[in-house]
Amino acid sequence: NAGVTQTPKFQVLKTGQSMTLQCAQDMNHEYMSWYRQDPGMGLRLIHYSVGAGITDQGEVPNGYNVSRSTTEDFPLRLLSAAPSQTSVYFCASRIIYQKPNTGELFFGEGSRLTVL
Amino acid sequence: KQEVTQIPAALSVPEGENLVLNCSFTDSAIYNLQWFRQDPGKGLTSLLLIQSSQREQTSGRLNASLDKSSGRSTLYIAASQPGDSATYLCAVSEGSGSARQLTFGSGTQLTVLP
Repeated sequence: NAGVTQTPKFQVLKTGQSMTLQCAQDMNHEYMSWYRQDPGMGLRLIHYSVGAGITDQGEVPNGYNVSRSTTEDFPLRLLSAAPSQTSVYFCASRIIYQKPNTGELFFGEGSRLTVL
Repeated sequence: KQEVTQIPAALSVPEGENLVLNCSFTDSAIYNLQWFRQDPGKGLTSLLLIQSSQREQTSGRLNASLDKSSGRSTLYIAASQPGDSATYLCAVSEGSGSARQLTFGSGTQLTVLP
């Protein structure tokens, strides 16, 4: 049981390049989400999904796309990277409909992205 | 909009001390509150989760309390150890059903000196 797995752990991009951050979970969680963490600003929600085929925007969605084709995977796409997207990105998942449900959120180890 | 504040931003204590980390939130209509630990360069590890109907939760040397009416939670760490050095974040969950989201504080960076 690996939990929430993120790849890559580190990435350097040039402005305008595109890339995809991968997230996979093996806990059969319905809910998956992406956060970014910046110094002094805490964690901010980018996008989330409550099941395959369903996605929605969080607090800071601009510049990011997501899709959820399977329960296990929730990739985050940067279409045209900007220096403002330099951050640490975390994927997190939790149960929605299964029982018991405490609402606990499980995090991946993070992906550190630098945009030059 | 919910706001979560953690004070102080950083705390340094000698080994063996008991300590309290504070978390306050502006909207008391929460579903639950979670305390997380984050080591440098790592992800967040859930420490304790308190449902809105509960007053406290305990795990080992950790005790978290919740006072919804005053919008406060505390994380009590007994007999601190250098291995407790990390950033501690609190997050409140609000909303209903599948749309329930977490709002995070900025964290308290704890250093326990040997």
